[in-house]
Amino acid sequence: DAKTTQPPSMDCAEGRAANLPCNHSTISGNEYVYWYRQIHSQGPQYIIHGLKNNETNEMASLIITEDRKSSTLILPHATLRDTAVYYCIVYLIQGAQKLVFGQGTRLTINP
Amino acid sequence: DAGVTQSPTHLIKTRGQHVTLRCSPISGHKSVSWYQQVLGQGPQFIFQYYEKEERGRGNFPDRFSARQFPNYSSELNVNALLLGDSALYLCASSPTGLSEQFFGPGTRLTVL
Repeated sequence: DAKTTQPPSMDCAEGRAANLPCNHSTISGNEYVYWYRQIHSQGPQYIIHGLKNNETNEMASLIITEDRKSSTLILPHATLRDTAVYYCIVYLIQGAQKLVFGQGTRLTINP
Repeated sequence: DAGVTQSPTHLIKTRGQHVTLRCSPISGHKSVSWYQQVLGQGPQFIFQYYEKEERGRGNFPDRFSARQFPNYSSELNVNALLLGDSALYLCASSPTGLSEQFFGPGTRLTVL
């Protein structure tokens, strides 16, 4: 499994956009980029995923660089409820559905 | 719609005992995966089952076993508990086993 690198922690003001970076320089051509988050003491929550193109859903936007070596998760208008650990995962959709979680980024939204 | 449910919520066992954790997937989901999350770390993959067959196994000892039932619910069994087995055990389901996973709230296991 390709490895990802994320900053251990970030802060963002409430109402501002939160931009969470992820490096995945060894990603292969058929591996997807997935983002999950985990609010304290809860199970991880799926946010978004993508392969090559930028993606947007009701929760967030995912920007993947053209060389696919890095990506950015954007929470457009962060709220206090977005305080969580965010995990960037590269994932090959075949065989065992094995998500490999790293340490993630602890995002704190400040009032 | 109900999400993934797990039981029990919390559990306290002593070393050497056996434990069974249960998971009910989202209705219509045929794949169940189990993860262990030790305090301060990200979840680690233990097993994946799809249509009652084991599809994948993580790097865990044989003391860990699992099965999936015809109704797609699943059990995780851990024998000869060690202190290091204390963790949050997470169950996740997905429709086909090849798409995003939906996690339950977890079972907090404490081994004394």
